[in-house]
Amino acid sequence: QVQLQESGPGLVKPSQTLSLTCTVSGGSISSGSYYWSWIRQPAGKGLEWIGRIYTSGSTNYNPSLKSRVTISVDTSKNQFSLKLSSVTAADTAVYYCARVSVVVAVDMYNWFDPWGQGTLVTVSS
Amino acid sequence: DIQMTQSPSSLSASVGDRVTITCRASQSISSYLNWYQQKPGKAPKLLIYAASSLQSGVPSRFSGSGSGTDFTLTISSLQPEDFATYYCQQSYSTPSFGPGTKVDIK
Repeated sequence: QVQLQESGPGLVKPSQTLSLTCTVSGGSISSGSYYWSWIRQPAGKGLEWIGRIYTSGSTNYNPSLKSRVTISVDTSKNQFSLKLSSVTAADTAVYYCARVSVVVAVDMYNWFDPWGQGTLVTVSS
Repeated sequence: DIQMTQSPSSLSASVGDRVTITCRASQSISSYLNWYQQKPGKAPKLLIYAASSLQSGVPSRFSGSGSGTDFTLTISSLQPEDFATYYCQQSYSTPSFGPGTKVDIK
């Protein structure tokens, strides 16, 4: 059973770069028709999709964050990572990583499962 | 961007009640719609994908329906463990989530 675990600093200063890693266990990040995604949730608020990566390295980002986001993958470590630059207090949130299952023939059929437990990142000086 | 709305934003119900949550998309999304359950302090959990397909391991009291712009999540007989917040999410374009519906104890 695949499990995901986020890791990284819980406190980032304004204007700096937020960096998180998601480690995949119980299966290879390269197997199957999956994307790997980041999603965030400010306290008491809803969910915002950040972006996703395929193991080939191809990426898609939320247009609202695209200028600040980089998602990368390291298949040798079974990990993928998120970098969000020029952070402000508005980027304070719980950050989740998730696997994206995709129906190969119709890739608009896709869904997030499973999710990591989430990690709180606070942007503050 | 496709905007997702949900109604109601919250509801109070009793164990055994039939509960219906509605999700509406700002444009047609065919059946590219998923439902998640989130409990406090936990990650969301997939319940329904492709509008009406029940995720493996999810109790059959959960069901989904709809296509186009209007979708429904139904819990046929609410159980104590079902008190949570429910989100819809479209996968037709840049993924986006509804604002959530909180189901609490009456």
